[in-house]
Amino acid sequence: SQQGEEDPQALSIQEGENATMNCSYKTSINNLQWYRQNSGRGLVHLILIRSNEREKHSGRLRVTLDTSKKSSSLLITASRAADTASYFCATDAREYGNKLVFGAGTILRVKS
Amino acid sequence: DVKVTQSSRYLVKRTGEKVFLECVQDMDHENMFWYRQDPGLGLRLIYFSYDVKMKEKGDIPEGYSVSREKKERFSLILESASTNQTSMYLCASTGSGTGVYEQYFGPGTRLTVT
Repeated sequence: SQQGEEDPQALSIQEGENATMNCSYKTSINNLQWYRQNSGRGLVHLILIRSNEREKHSGRLRVTLDTSKKSSSLLITASRAADTASYFCATDAREYGNKLVFGAGTILRVKS
Repeated sequence: DVKVTQSSRYLVKRTGEKVFLECVQDMDHENMFWYRQDPGLGLRLIYFSYDVKMKEKGDIPEGYSVSREKKERFSLILESASTNQTSMYLCASTGSGTGVYEQYFGPGTRLTVT
């Protein structure tokens, strides 16, 4: 089974609203990363948060990490139509060696 | 500007054909990866390579092989394509060192096997 699982599977919001996506994982991690994928394209790295960090910001993105609950959330503030994409969390854990393990993703649709 | 390129965006092959998917990166990265992506399953690692001529199996290597003769190039080979290998194939690369760093992805190859 997958290490990371995103929730919800799909999310539809109006432009200007905030979007929150969650990721839960199973084993202790070194870091957790979030990626975006526009339809039919490759993934683009958004942000990396290390296991000893609790929160990180990058522009309109805010990522939190709760290692006690083995979960992370990605918040996109003031969403735009261009944010429409799939979002994936990926975990780096000692158990998985020098590899990232990706979740199934959340499909975000921002309506204008 | 970092770049990972893949040889084809779309590919249609027949069952039993030998298929080559090529990936090239211009960032002098040691580590390169091949994933397949299917709806509802996310990305699954097929093979990865941490150096020239080195390779390691990922989670789903069956039916695939790889080649890394040069640092910048990592090829995925489907020895005898089957319909269940119809998928989106993504190549990625990353630098080496302690820890795991962000991966840079190519645009993907959508392969259809008929």
